[in-house]
Amino acid sequence: DAGITQSPRHKVTETGTPVTLRCHQTENHRYMYWYRQDPGHGLRLIHYSYGVKDTDKGEVSDGYSVSRSKTEDFLLTLESATSSQTSVYFCAISESGERTDTQYFGPGTRLTVL
Amino acid sequence: AQSVTQLDSHVSVSEGTPVLLRCNYSSSYSPSLFWYVQHPNKGLQLLLKYTSAATLVKGINGFEAEFKKSETSFHLTKPSAHMSDAAEYFCVVGSGNTGKLIFGQGTTLQVKP
Repeated sequence: DAGITQSPRHKVTETGTPVTLRCHQTENHRYMYWYRQDPGHGLRLIHYSYGVKDTDKGEVSDGYSVSRSKTEDFLLTLESATSSQTSVYFCAISESGERTDTQYFGPGTRLTVL
Repeated sequence: AQSVTQLDSHVSVSEGTPVLLRCNYSSSYSPSLFWYVQHPNKGLQLLLKYTSAATLVKGINGFEAEFKKSETSFHLTKPSAHMSDAAEYFCVVGSGNTGKLIFGQGTTLQVKP
């Protein structure tokens, strides 16, 4: 298994509070991604990073921000959580970012916003 | 633009019978296509991928998929289902040069004893 961990694995929070999810990799891969998974939607890309301090938006980026200060860590922040952000969040990594490249996924974080 | 459609949201088979999970794609260039599997409360695991080499791709656990350009399809098959195959399966297309993936909505495979 690819060396990807996510923390926390489960979190319950209240509307309006800030939340930060962490993704940590031991593979030294350049690309890292954050997805959310909701029933009937598959996985949708929130943000991705192509290097330290280099990030870009995905298709569902509103309400989320990211940071990558080290190769191994990619943080996802919900500045003010809303109930619509209740979801399962997955981090993924890939070596080159080419469209033929395999992405390896972490175990996920289940977030509930009350 | 790239897109992918999984034609069945739910498939039910009996143990020992063949599995067919259907996927159609749309791509403005030669696509990269993947099948991932997700077991309950787990992350996603790569089953197989197509990257313009052989059109018949063999994956893990006896699964294979055939790329058919004329039909824009990439269906996943397995000759004989096992109880451990019960999971959700995602057909995925690679997009652009940043590794972005476009996911289908998923197909839940139920395997009955």
